[in-house]
Amino acid sequence: AQSVTQPDIHITVSEGASLELRCNYSYGATPYLFWYVQSPGQGLQLLLKYFSGDTLVQGIKGFEAEFKRSQSSFNLRKPSVHWSDAAEYFCAVGAKEYGNKLVFGAGTILRVKS
Amino acid sequence: EPEVTQTPSHQVTQMGQEVILRCVPISNHLYFYWYRQILGQKVEFLVSFYNNEISEKSEIFDDQFSVERPDGSNFTLKIRSTKLEDSAMYFCASSEVEGTEAFFGQGTRLTVV
Repeated sequence: AQSVTQPDIHITVSEGASLELRCNYSYGATPYLFWYVQSPGQGLQLLLKYFSGDTLVQGIKGFEAEFKRSQSSFNLRKPSVHWSDAAEYFCAVGAKEYGNKLVFGAGTILRVKS
Repeated sequence: EPEVTQTPSHQVTQMGQEVILRCVPISNHLYFYWYRQILGQKVEFLVSFYNNEISEKSEIFDDQFSVERPDGSNFTLKIRSTKLEDSAMYFCASSEVEGTEAFFGQGTRLTVV
């Protein structure tokens, strides 16, 4: 069965510090991968996506993610975190072979301390 | 920028009542989805819809649930007889073509009392 693991439930970083949120997936097909961000009480905003090609993808708000097939990972990074980045981050995986539905990870709550 | 719109943003209903959650997908999109997120849990797929029929549904999407595209712009999720465990945030999403990113609405928070 398809699954997505975000091993860190909470992460706290200082403002200005770098950030890496981990995502591992288990999929029987060639996946496409997403990171979404959700502020409290809000919807899901797409940060970035990977379908094919360059394995390092750039997204909005200064985020990037790297697809590593050998590690089944798609970790999200940001070199310098801002207080406004505090939110919950979801990794999601889909594949055409599975009808385009997305399977989400459990999410990582990011706290930013000043 | 085009966006997916959901109404209402919050709905409170009594157990056993029917609710209809409404969504207006992005206008040129062809694939439509409903997901739900129970408080504190992960986002879960409910159903996908294409060409006026359900293309896939999860085990959560039982006979109490139905979807409809009544007029070419709206996409609705109906829960026939709500249960306490249906309390969740329900997200509508749409995508332009198969295998592209889904754009999500802001969600409808359903509270069943």
